Amino acid sequence: EAGVAQSPRYKIIEKRQSVAFWCNPISGHATLYWYQQILGQGPKLLIQFQNNGVVDDSQLPKDRFSAERLKGVDSTLKIQPAKLEDSAVYLCASSLEVPQGETQYFGPGTRLLVL
Amino acid sequence: KQEVTQIPAALSVPEGENLVLNCSFTDSAIYNLQWFRQDPGKGLTSLLLIQSSQREQTSGRLNASLDKSSGRSTLYIAASQPGDSATYLCAVKGTYKYIFGTGTRLKVLA
Repeated sequence: EAGVAQSPRYKIIEKRQSVAFWCNPISGHATLYWYQQILGQGPKLLIQFQNNGVVDDSQLPKDRFSAERLKGVDSTLKIQPAKLEDSAVYLCASSLEVPQGETQYFGPGTRLLVL
Repeated sequence: KQEVTQIPAALSVPEGENLVLNCSFTDSAIYNLQWFRQDPGKGLTSLLLIQSSQREQTSGRLNASLDKSSGRSTLYIAASQPGDSATYLCAVKGTYKYIFGTGTRLKVLA
């Protein structure tokens, strides 16, 4: 079974530039998550999709971050314009649609450095 | 607001020791708790998931326990090996989302 795929693996940009990350979840997984992990911290949920719909985006900085999930499969996360504090690893995860107990499967992450 | 704390932040042990990692959370109204392992520069790998109705889960040398009333979970690693060196994170699920702790960085010395 293929895992969660993410690209690119690394990205270096200057502040005020824009950047986009892509995620392909495990086939059949209805739920998709984007997390931000700053060095030395645990992952913080940015947005959670259930199929095409957004379940939670309460911690997504909506003035600069946007995300979409096309046809309930792939997803893209965009930052425009980037700030220095956006330097982090962006993790995508997916899980089956099970009401209470579901294992999350994570991709390798995209490491973003904003200069 | 749910807060998840992991103590200690870092731990070094000699190979072969049994060890316990701790996770505490402030809101006992959880659906499940999950333990993950993260190797440097990589994503997270799920180790064990405990439903709110369960008290423990076991996988190989790993055993995780859950005490909702006291807001605590422990991850027990038996007979530690250098390959166990990694950061261990716990995550607690509320109504919709998981809240992660900051992790315990474990180093097992050969």
